[in-house]
Amino acid sequence: QSVLTQPPSVSAAPGQKVTISCSGSSSNIGNDYVSWYQQLPGTAPKLLIYDNNKRPSGIPDRFSGSKSGTSATLGITGLQTGDEADYYCGTWDRSLSAGVFGGGTKLTVL
Amino acid sequence: QVQLVESGGGVVQPGRSLRLSCAASGFTFSSYGINWVRQAPGKGLEWVAVTSYDGDNKYYADSVKGRFTISRDNSKNTLWLQMTSLRTEDTAVYYCAKNLRQYSSRSSNFDYWGQGTLVTVSS
Repeated sequence: QSVLTQPPSVSAAPGQKVTISCSGSSSNIGNDYVSWYQQLPGTAPKLLIYDNNKRPSGIPDRFSGSKSGTSATLGITGLQTGDEADYYCGTWDRSLSAGVFGGGTKLTVL
Repeated sequence: QVQLVESGGGVVQPGRSLRLSCAASGFTFSSYGINWVRQAPGKGLEWVAVTSYDGDNKYYADSVKGRFTISRDNSKNTLWLQMTSLRTEDTAVYYCAKNLRQYSSRSSNFDYWGQGTLVTVSS
């Protein structure tokens, strides 16, 4: 059971938009920044979003992040088949004094 | 370019020990906190531990506290994870991951990851 809650799967057609939610509590999302990762099959995770809504160099602006209270959202527009991957949210939990991840969301581009 | 290369994985019996290594290059290793993150087969990511840039501060997941020890040698640009009293549920690919910002330790912003090393705990 993950500390952060994500939907197990989402799907959308190419060119469409999808959002992935990440729900936590006041000890984690409510009090720290959220990051998002993309993991393609057989590869290491890749940082997509940090500090709730910032994109590292090289990440296209089709990817966006937001946070409100104890929840965060990853948005992906202009979906491509290459976006099919597992997506994870992460943050620091002040009560646990530990990093925490969501359970991951599998994105299918139909 | 930044590189993180893990090694030391393998098959080990329950109750035994194993030490993983992470060799870093391409950045000022002594300025960054480094984490271990694991992923059991077919499962999600699980944060394991982090050491601060100077090794003075270390944090662990409850699932490994008291059994695993994270350490680093800044003169060798190397990070380790000493794992003892291994359990079958420790079976996973173990990644080392660099913090985005200098001098931060309590963060989930990991900008570079290694390719991972597989640890299988089985009798």
